[in-house]
Amino acid sequence: ETGVTQTPRHLVMGMTNKKSLKCEQHLGHNAMYWYKQSAKKPLELMFVYNFKEQTENNSVPSRFSPECPNSSHLFLHLHTLQPEDSALYLCASSQVRGAVDEQYFGPGTRLTVT
Amino acid sequence: GQNIDQPTEMTATEGAIVQINCTYQTSGFNGLFWYQQHAGEAPTFLSYNVLDGLEEKGRFSSFLSRSKGYSYLLLKELQMKDSASYLCAVRDQDYQLIWGAGTKLIIKP
Repeated sequence: ETGVTQTPRHLVMGMTNKKSLKCEQHLGHNAMYWYKQSAKKPLELMFVYNFKEQTENNSVPSRFSPECPNSSHLFLHLHTLQPEDSALYLCASSQVRGAVDEQYFGPGTRLTVT
Repeated sequence: GQNIDQPTEMTATEGAIVQINCTYQTSGFNGLFWYQQHAGEAPTFLSYNVLDGLEEKGRFSSFLSRSKGYSYLLLKELQMKDSASYLCAVRDQDYQLIWGAGTKLIIKP
């Protein structure tokens, strides 16, 4: 248990569906992240929120839409996804400006797009 | 471009020692991290190096040479539970983490 929770753990959706992934951190951190993890590939940073403000959007397609209502919660809204979007989506949090600033990850949502 | 290289897979024997290497080419350097990820689980933080040398934490040690763009993770007295993927990540000049693809470590009895 890392202090970061994600729901759902597994999601199967069609290309025309709309769904949302939820992340919550209980660590009092001030930054939250969305990553995509595909088999045998490096983690891909998608979005970063520092103090609830989005600071990074690494050329992510608009079919992925993040939302950060407060420093403890992060959402990833999904719509009209493609089969190549099937992957493990990881949420992480950290205390920016800490000495080490290591990231704490949630267990991930395994997404399958059919 | 920025790049992190680590072996895709390694096999070792229970009770032995294994060294997982990581080489990097990044725009600046502000620290190197090692994470462990068991199959189906979240990555968990193992170690952090920002200065050259060896950092020891129980059975795990991590080494850094900034001039060579090189790090290794050393695991001693291997246990079956050490079977996992080990991820190397470097924080660049913009404080962004650049990740390697991970090394899958298989421990055999």
